[in-house]
Amino acid sequence: NAGVTQTPKFRVLKTGQSMTLLCAQDMNHEYMYWYRQDPGMGLRLIHYSVGEGTTAKGEVPDGYNVSRLKKQNFLLGLESAAPSQTSVYFCASSPGLVGYEQYFGPGTRLTVT
Amino acid sequence: GQQVMQIPQYQHVQEGEDFTTYCNSSTTLSNIQWYKQRPGGHPVFLIQLVKSGEVKKQKRLTFQFGEAKKNSSLHITATQTTDVGTYFCAGIRVDSSYKLIFGSGTRLLVRP
Repeated sequence: NAGVTQTPKFRVLKTGQSMTLLCAQDMNHEYMYWYRQDPGMGLRLIHYSVGEGTTAKGEVPDGYNVSRLKKQNFLLGLESAAPSQTSVYFCASSPGLVGYEQYFGPGTRLTVT
Repeated sequence: GQQVMQIPQYQHVQEGEDFTTYCNSSTTLSNIQWYKQRPGGHPVFLIQLVKSGEVKKQKRLTFQFGEAKKNSSLHITATQTTDVGTYFCAGIRVDSSYKLIFGSGTRLLVRP
């Protein structure tokens, strides 16, 4: 039981390049989330999904897109990377929305130059 | 902007000293969760508080939820080097679409 996994672990992009971060969970959770973590800012929600085929905007969605084609996977895309998107990205999942703990992946450290 | 504030931002203590971090929300929360993130790691769930005035203990850790459900605290008695990390509170506003709002975290450093 791997829990929540993320690929890649590290990535360096040049401004304007695109990439996709992959999150996978094997706990059959309905809910999945993408956060970014910046120094002194805590975790900020980018997008989330309440089930296969659904997505919704979080607190800081601009510049990102997501897709949940399969229940176990949640993809985060950057169409045209900017230096402001340099951050650590965490994926999380939970069996429910209210009152359930979130299980986090190991994170992806992204640097945009 | 950040709707859940946490203080202090950093705390550096001598091993054996106590530590407390405080979490304050501008609006009423339906529940509050606490997470710990070790350096270089990912957040790991510690506990959830739901009831007004609730107090829960996990060994040396004591968690409280305020009577008005707008604030919470985490107290660690007699810190150990294994307590090093960043502690985050995360709350769900009663008037929100049930998304967790994370505080900015308190980074705890422990001198051996």
